[in-house]
Amino acid sequence: DIQMTQSPSTLSASEGDSVTITCRASQTISNWLAWYQQKPGEAPKLLIYKTSSLESGVPSRFSGSGSGTDFTLTITNLQPDDFATYYCQQYNGYSGTFGQGTKVEIK
Amino acid sequence: QVQLVQSGAEVRDPGASVKVSCKASGYTFTSSGISWVRQAPGQGLEWLGWISIYNGNTNYAQKLQGRVTMTTDRSTNTVYMEMRSLRSEDTAVYYCARSKALGYYYFDYWGQGTLVTVSS
Repeated sequence: DIQMTQSPSTLSASEGDSVTITCRASQTISNWLAWYQQKPGEAPKLLIYKTSSLESGVPSRFSGSGSGTDFTLTITNLQPDDFATYYCQQYNGYSGTFGQGTKVEIK
Repeated sequence: QVQLVQSGAEVRDPGASVKVSCKASGYTFTSSGISWVRQAPGQGLEWLGWISIYNGNTNYAQKLQGRVTMTTDRSTNTVYMEMRSLRSEDTAVYYCARSKALGYYYFDYWGQGTLVTVSS
């Protein structure tokens, strides 16, 4: 099974900051990577798919990059609504493993 | 608009089974697949498996092989996830989620979640 490792587990930032979350796959997944945002008590929300494609309606301050085994999610000009937990997910082949999550909290 | 509406919370004894439903609306039901994802209290997301609505093909996470079955009823636009031999560690919120692209396991619409509690 492909394992996904996110870092950091928690990230403290202020409104207006730029933050970067890293996701590493245990084997190459080409560009088959998605990012989700989840708030307490809610279902996850798709932000980015195929490494860098922005889901419809998602603000352009969210961006993704990477390939192979190393990927990043960057949020620029952090807004109050962005404080949440973020998950990467690989969907290479016939599985859909998630990373363990990164909580972005208010500094 | 696309909606996935799940059945209500369940409580089961260890060793029992549970069947959760997910009713889809707002899109052509056979045009996509549905996955199930769970989240234990305070924990991350775990992908459980996927079913093709078009032909009923399934693909399950290796660790759950033999304990989970996903089925679909195209007459009612409903997908079911049954889990057997429940253990306390199966306590979680279970989500159904629609594949954004047929055959790909990333998800653009999610159900509201169903809490399954396994406790004696």
